[in-house]
Amino acid sequence: AQKITQTQPGMFVQEKEAVTLDCTYDTSDQSYGLFWYKQPSSGEMIFLIYQGSYDEQNATEGRYSLNFQKARKSANLVISASQLGDSAMYFCAMRGLAGGTSYGKLTFGQGTILTVHP
Amino acid sequence: DTAVSQTPKYLVTQMGNDKSIKCEQNLGHDTMYWYKQDSKKFLKIMFSYNNKELIINETVPNRFSPKSPDKAHLNLHINSLELGDSAVYFCASSQEVPGSGIYNEQFFGPGTRLTVL
Repeated sequence: AQKITQTQPGMFVQEKEAVTLDCTYDTSDQSYGLFWYKQPSSGEMIFLIYQGSYDEQNATEGRYSLNFQKARKSANLVISASQLGDSAMYFCAMRGLAGGTSYGKLTFGQGTILTVHP
Repeated sequence: DTAVSQTPKYLVTQMGNDKSIKCEQNLGHDTMYWYKQDSKKFLKIMFSYNNKELIINETVPNRFSPKSPDKAHLNLHINSLELGDSAVYFCASSQEVPGSGIYNEQFFGPGTRLTVL
């Protein structure tokens, strides 16, 4: 079974500052993928960034980077130069190999609400 | 162009009614999903389909019946609606590459907010 834990129900950051959203995971799979999604108040789910368990480099996508520490089973999202539009709920999620009874299944954390102050 | 679309966006109905939510994706993906987001914003998978075949049924009551007429569509029919069914239902799709160790992102539809009175 897979489990994702996001321990920060809410985070506040000043505009233009960087912020780290925490995510830890638990799985017995050797191969897995880690994802971050953003859910603004309008409700849609927006994919931000992905990290494969065998990727040696931390993933980056524009202002988003994923601080992947495999031994500690953590996959924290770093948002640099925060903008007002970054205010949203952020979900960490993971999945295992395609195939079998967990085909494609994403397991989500509880989410972290990020508020960016001007 | 909308990648994953759902209709309706809002659905308000009485307990005991039967309702359907439709989902379509134009991404050419082979796998589609239904997720439920409860009032605490927790997201949980309900079903997944690969090439019209049911793969995951995550202990969902049998009042919920997904149907996939083709790999671009995955509809969700709910019988005898209960108050606890009130939630936001998301459809999603992805292209799977079994055994490859490649994990493509899932693209989500806009969600359907179901309110059962």
